[in-house]
Amino acid sequence: AQSVTQLGSHVSVSEGALVLLRCNYSSSVPPYLFWYVQYPNQGLQLLLKYTTGATLVKGINGFEAEFKKSETSFHLTKPSAHMSDAAEYFCAVRGGRTGNQFYFGTGTSLTVIP
Amino acid sequence: DTAVSQTPKYLVTQMGNDKSIKCEQNLGHDTMYWYKQDSKKFLKIMFSYNNKELIINETVPNRFSPKSPDKAHLNLHINSLELGDSAVYFCASSRDYEQYFGPGTRLTVT
Repeated sequence: AQSVTQLGSHVSVSEGALVLLRCNYSSSVPPYLFWYVQYPNQGLQLLLKYTTGATLVKGINGFEAEFKKSETSFHLTKPSAHMSDAAEYFCAVRGGRTGNQFYFGTGTSLTVIP
Repeated sequence: DTAVSQTPKYLVTQMGNDKSIKCEQNLGHDTMYWYKQDSKKFLKIMFSYNNKELIINETVPNRFSPKSPDKAHLNLHINSLELGDSAVYFCASSRDYEQYFGPGTRLTVT
């Protein structure tokens, strides 16, 4: 079975500071991992994904994430936070019996302080 | 534009009514989903269809019934609406590794 745990439902950072959003997963098969961003009153938008290959993946808006199998983690980072990064972030793992089910974490709300 | 679209964007209705939410995707994807997002932003999978066939049917009240007339459409019909049904409902589609989400339908039951 697959599941995702996001540590910290709320994270606040100062503008220009490092953003680190934590995600740990559980998967009985090699995982496909995703980070999505949701801006207020909008749908979810894919930030980045890991399927196979390079464990450090780069996404849109300067975000990146590193797949660490030994730690079962897929933490999201950005070197310098911008005000426009304030949003809800969701980590997800793909799996299920048919491989078509996506399991989402409970989300982390990112606040950027001017 | 290629996208996942939902109608309506907002839906306000009274308890006991029946309502439908429509979803269309023109991405050529084979799999479509319905999610419910509650006030705490938690996303819960409700249904998934692959090539018009139901493949995921999570524990939701049978007042909720999905209908997929073709691969590009997955509609959600809700009977006898209750206060607890108030939420944002998202449609999504996928092929291979990624899901693409619609803009959501905010349902308010009064």
